[in-house]
Amino acid sequence: QSVLTQPPSASGTPGQRVTISCSGSSTNIGSYTVNWYQHLPGTAPKLLIYSNNQRPSGVPDRFSGSKSGTSASLAISGLQSEDEADYYCAAWDDSLNGWVFGGGTKLTVL
Amino acid sequence: VQLVESGGGLVQPGGSLRLSCTASGFTFNIHAMSWVRQAPGKGLEWVSLIRGSGGSTSYADSVKGRFTISRDNSKSTVYLQMNSLRAEDTAVYYCARVLQTSSWSTFDYWGQGTLVTVSS
Repeated sequence: QSVLTQPPSASGTPGQRVTISCSGSSTNIGSYTVNWYQHLPGTAPKLLIYSNNQRPSGVPDRFSGSKSGTSASLAISGLQSEDEADYYCAAWDDSLNGWVFGGGTKLTVL
Repeated sequence: VQLVESGGGLVQPGGSLRLSCTASGFTFNIHAMSWVRQAPGKGLEWVSLIRGSGGSTSYADSVKGRFTISRDNSKSTVYLQMNSLRAEDTAVYYCARVLQTSSWSTFDYWGQGTLVTVSS
């Protein structure tokens, strides 16, 4: 059972907009910024969003993040087949004195 | 920036293994470093963190007392000493660089991972 809660799966057709939610508590998302990672099996995870809504250089602006209270979300607009991957949210947790991840959301592009 | 993990392999339950992560392309000693793992069919799980100076460390409860993180800044390398290994420690272990400011922190670069299999 992960500390941060994500839906196990999400799907959309090419061109659609999909959102992935991430729910936490006052000791993690409520107090710290949220990061999002994209992970393809067998490869290194890739930073997608940091500090709730900031994109590293090279990440398309189709990807956006937001945070409100103890929840966060990742939105992907103009869905493309190459977006099919696992997506994880993460934040620091004060009570655990460490990082916590969501369980991951497998995105399928239909 | 490049992070290259090594040291994974097959080990029996109760055994030990030391993972290494050699960094290049950045000033190693100013960055905290972390280990994150992914068990087969499971999600990402944070394992351990070490600050740039090496003076401060933290661990996930699942590995506390069994794993030790350390670093050699002269070699730009971070280590994970894993003792009393259990079947549930079987995973791909990733090394990640921490990018941090006064208001946020994140894992901005990751290695390709090294597989640890604990089995008799």
